[in-house]
Formats: sequence, C-alpha cells, structure tokens
Amino acid sequence: ETGVTQTPRHLVMGMTNKKSLKCEQHLGHNAMYWYKQSAKKPLELMFVYNFKEQTENNSVPSRFSPECPNSSHLFLHLHTLQPEDSALYLCASSQKIAGANTGELFFGEGSRLTVL
Amino acid sequence: AQKITQTQPGMFVQEKEAVTLDCTYDTSDPSYGLFWYKQPSSGEMIFLIYQGSYDQQNATEGRYSLNFQKARKSANLVISASQLGDSAMYFCAMREMDSSYKLIFGSGTRLLVRP
Repeated sequence: ETGVTQTPRHLVMGMTNKKSLKCEQHLGHNAMYWYKQSAKKPLELMFVYNFKEQTENNSVPSRFSPECPNSSHLFLHLHTLQPEDSALYLCASSQKIAGANTGELFFGEGSRLTVL
Repeated sequence: AQKITQTQPGMFVQEKEAVTLDCTYDTSDPSYGLFWYKQPSSGEMIFLIYQGSYDQQNATEGRYSLNFQKARKSANLVISASQLGDSAMYFCAMREMDSSYKLIFGSGTRLLVRP
C-alpha cells in the first residue's frame, strides 16, 4: 500500500459539474497539502493543513474548496470549474517538526483533471 | 520574484555517464532546506535528496549527490552512472523556516537518458 493515495486518478468533468478529489495518507503525518501542476508551469501550492487546520490558502479561487476531516484525509471539492483548471492535482503529506529543518513531502500519484 | 530557478528545460545524457542538473535559489532566511524530486511519467513526485542550509557536508544518497554552494545560492543535483530509468522530470524545491512548512518548486528539468 502506497503512503499517499489519491482517487480518482483521472477525472473528466463539465463546467457545471460538482466533483471531489480524495487524498489519504497512511504515514502518520500531521500536515497535508494540495498542489496544482499545469503544463509548463512550476508546481503551485494551493492549500496547507496542519493538524486538520488550514494554515495556508494561496489565493485559490473559491470554486476549489478543501476539506480536512482528520490528519489522514484531505479532499478537494470542485464546482463550476473552468477549462484552465485542467491540470494534475497532487496531494502530499509531511511530518511537521517544530524547529527542525527537515520533513520532506511525500506525494501521491496525482489526480489528472480535465474540464470540458 | 522567482525563488527557485532551473534554467535547463531539457537535458540529454548517455547511459552510464554523469549529469548535473542546475538549481539556484533566492532567500533572505538564514535557515532553509533544499530538496530534489523526480517525477516519472506516472506523475508521482519521488523524493531524492535533501540539503539543509547549515549542513557542512554536501548531501549524498546512492547515485545522487547535491553540489551545494551556499555563497552562490546554488544546489545542483549530480546523478552518477545514469540509467535508462532516470529519464524523468526533476524538480528542485526550497523550504523556508515559516509556519506552513510548504515547499516552493522550480519549473523542472526533463532528463532523457540515451542508451
């Protein structure tokens, strides 16, 4: 079983649909992240959660709505998306250690989203 | 201002040879961490190597080593004895010591290993 699991792996949706991406981590980490990877652009941080609390929203449009019910699960709810939102959405987790400069991110395989 | 710069969009290397992937960074924080990740076509980001700003030695992990030049703010990845399976996108990333523990990524370098 992989450390970070994302479902679905592929999603095609219309602009009026509502869908959700799911991420689950089995590593006992206390921080989870959503990143967006568009073609020819660096990974863009979207949201950060530490101990279920959102600590960063990187100016993400409200059509993306995150939810973190516990430290192991992270969702990204999608509604009324635009074609330019088509991208690979990567979930990651890490163990945040206060005062330590370590703790690499462990990523899932991503959910590839296509908005028609 | 871009904090992580990878100037090589694509690189070729012959199998069994070494290759260096460039990364420069910009920060005013004295404490930071530098990471390299590999992304094969499957999409998963695979952690390769980490260098802390206060580490005295250059980091090494198997065939991967990090050429850390702090004064130049560069953290180049060296892959020795390249293998066909090394063909992938490679991303450099930096973490500053703030509360969110987020990583900021560069634009990546696509490496192709030739047989």
